[in-house]
Amino acid sequence: DGGITQSPKYLFRKEGQNVTLSCEQNLNHDAMYWYRQDPGQGLRLIYYSQIVNDFQKGDIAEGYSVSREKKESFPLTVTSAQKNPTAFYLCASSIQAPGLAGGGAKNIQYFGAGTRLSVL
Amino acid sequence: DAKTTQPPSMDCAEGRAANLPCNHSTISGNEYVYWYRQIHSQGPQYIIHGLKNNETNEMASLIITEDRKSSTLILPHATLRDTAVYYCIVRPPSGSARQLTFGSGTQLTVLP
Repeated sequence: DGGITQSPKYLFRKEGQNVTLSCEQNLNHDAMYWYRQDPGQGLRLIYYSQIVNDFQKGDIAEGYSVSREKKESFPLTVTSAQKNPTAFYLCASSIQAPGLAGGGAKNIQYFGAGTRLSVL
Repeated sequence: DAKTTQPPSMDCAEGRAANLPCNHSTISGNEYVYWYRQIHSQGPQYIIHGLKNNETNEMASLIITEDRKSSTLILPHATLRDTAVYYCIVRPPSGSARQLTFGSGTQLTVLP
């Protein structure tokens, strides 16, 4: 089945530790995104990537890093600089990123099941 | 992105149609209306989108008013698994909008 796979489902971080959240898609989508969701809140964009080897900061990039070495993979590292990492992390992808002409369907974002990160 | 307004909560009896309204009075001519839902502790799920015409797919129907200032998502035969927060989002097909801006949405509770 085509889709987006996030792992692990649950993750615990110790003080001063970096942790990496995995996101893999087999939809052949160019664009990928990382969002953070806090309880009862909406989604906030951390990073996004429109194409391999390119990524851009979102609204809350501080304390996070990403890479996009392969089209299907967009891992997120939560560094020790992120002082409040406890949240629900969501990865998404779309056929192409906004900013390119193409109409409504190409900008639909499809989401993974999420990773819930907690601090020990 | 145009601002949207949705009721905070709605109930619907199982098997009945659920009609979820959304106001987007400041929508621009090239902006699409998208609907997503988020079941508790899961990732958001795309439902349907439209520009001017009414749309239907296997999940739902989308009715957009002629002036495009409001729309209604219809789940024709709601089940308990449709209990979720439903989000109406308006955005252009291109431009600087990168992220999806989820408002507070409508909590739909399907009752047995």
